[in-house]
Amino acid sequence: GAGVSQTPSNKVTEKGKYVELRCDPISGHTALYWYRQSLGQGPEFLIYFQGTGAADDSGLPNDRFFAVRPEGSVSTLKIQRTERGDSAVYLCASSLLPPQNTGELFFGEGSRLTVL
Amino acid sequence: SQQGEEDPQALSIQEGENATMNCSYKTSINNLQWYRQNSGRGLVHLILIRSNEREKHSGRLRVTLDTSKKSSSLLITASRAADTASYFCATALIQGAQKLVFGQGTRLTINP
Repeated sequence: GAGVSQTPSNKVTEKGKYVELRCDPISGHTALYWYRQSLGQGPEFLIYFQGTGAADDSGLPNDRFFAVRPEGSVSTLKIQRTERGDSAVYLCASSLLPPQNTGELFFGEGSRLTVL
Repeated sequence: SQQGEEDPQALSIQEGENATMNCSYKTSINNLQWYRQNSGRGLVHLILIRSNEREKHSGRLRVTLDTSKKSSSLLITASRAADTASYFCATALIQGAQKLVFGQGTRLTINP
């Protein structure tokens, strides 16, 4: 596609439920990133994929959070047993890898998650 | 954790004036980038400056980098109402693929 696509754009769920957020990166972008942004804050790194594998998952807050990218394109961020503190905008970004990489990340519009 | 500290947290100026935002960071970087975010939208890349560069221009944007002070500034000249947005600096801590660490942002309001 022309840009990074994220679905759903908005998700309201109840505490304790399971949630999946999807990211479709720019075609041909090998690197994919998930960030979380709370209100009034900057994006916080969660996880980064090179192809199908998670190259760096050091930002995942706990084992309730998991992300996959089985075919090296679309990625799904999965949150189990959601808590109210998980409420945030989840941003996905993609980029090329060096030497084609210019350094910039291309972001989607985000998925706003509200846990009641 | 946030690597960058941005200053000011909020800035309100009149259309036509220049806007300056500052960013300080803690550890050595490969490059520093500035992004813009309109309310409720994703982030858009504005400009990237590498650690061996001191100044860079792009249209009405001017970015400086002082690695000895671990700081950067973004200047927007001749501001327009459409420049109203939040601006974030982001540092790339490792070479190669970009794991960016973002600051808390400056909320810029341009009054017509």
